[in-house]
Amino acid sequence: EVQLVQSGAEVKKPGESLRISCKGSGYSFTSYWISWVRQMPGKGLEWMGRIDPSDSYTNYSPSFQGHVTISADKSISTAYLQWSSLKASDTAMYYCARRRRIAVAGGAIYYYYYMDVWGKGTTVTVSS
Amino acid sequence: DIQMTQSPSSLSASVGDRVTITCRASQSISSYLNWYQQKPGKAPKLLIYAASSLQSGVPSRFSGSGSGTDFTLTISSLQPEDFATYYCQQSYSTPGTFGPGTKVDIK
Repeated sequence: EVQLVQSGAEVKKPGESLRISCKGSGYSFTSYWISWVRQMPGKGLEWMGRIDPSDSYTNYSPSFQGHVTISADKSISTAYLQWSSLKASDTAMYYCARRRRIAVAGGAIYYYYYMDVWGKGTTVTVSS
Repeated sequence: DIQMTQSPSSLSASVGDRVTITCRASQSISSYLNWYQQKPGKAPKLLIYAASSLQSGVPSRFSGSGSGTDFTLTISSLQPEDFATYYCQQSYSTPGTFGPGTKVDIK
């Protein structure tokens, strides 16, 4: 079974550091990018960034660039999302998701991307 | 960044109703549009990718259409398990922005 298993809920104080994880199984981990998505309490989904586990190349949303770091350890099929100094505004649910690519041939070949497998989420609470 | 909007923000419907949700992009995104369903306390679930392709295992009452800037998600006959929030997401460019969501609840 293809799945992404995320680490457990975290309660931290402002200024603390944190790393949460997302472990893939049931598929070739290095063949699919992993994306991270934030959902603040009662709010919608926000795409944060993604990583190619094969070479650790990353893309970030400008809204999150410099505030979080996405990394991966392909030897253990795990991606990470980390903060060096948490803020209360980082309180949210964080999801990892597998990014799939499909090729569609028309006059040329078009690649479509979507997130087809999601982790159950990691709740991060930052409070003094 | 490409901005995504959805309408309505919420709707009330009955079992058996036909439901249509609209998503609009701030610029043309061709068919690079995905739809996700999220139930309370659960992770999002992929329904539709590439604007109109049904994800494996998703019931055929769900369908997607559109290209360019305007897209729709249609549920042909609403079922009890379909009460949820629906999000569109563009995959045309980074960042892959989501719409604000449409909550479908019971009338």
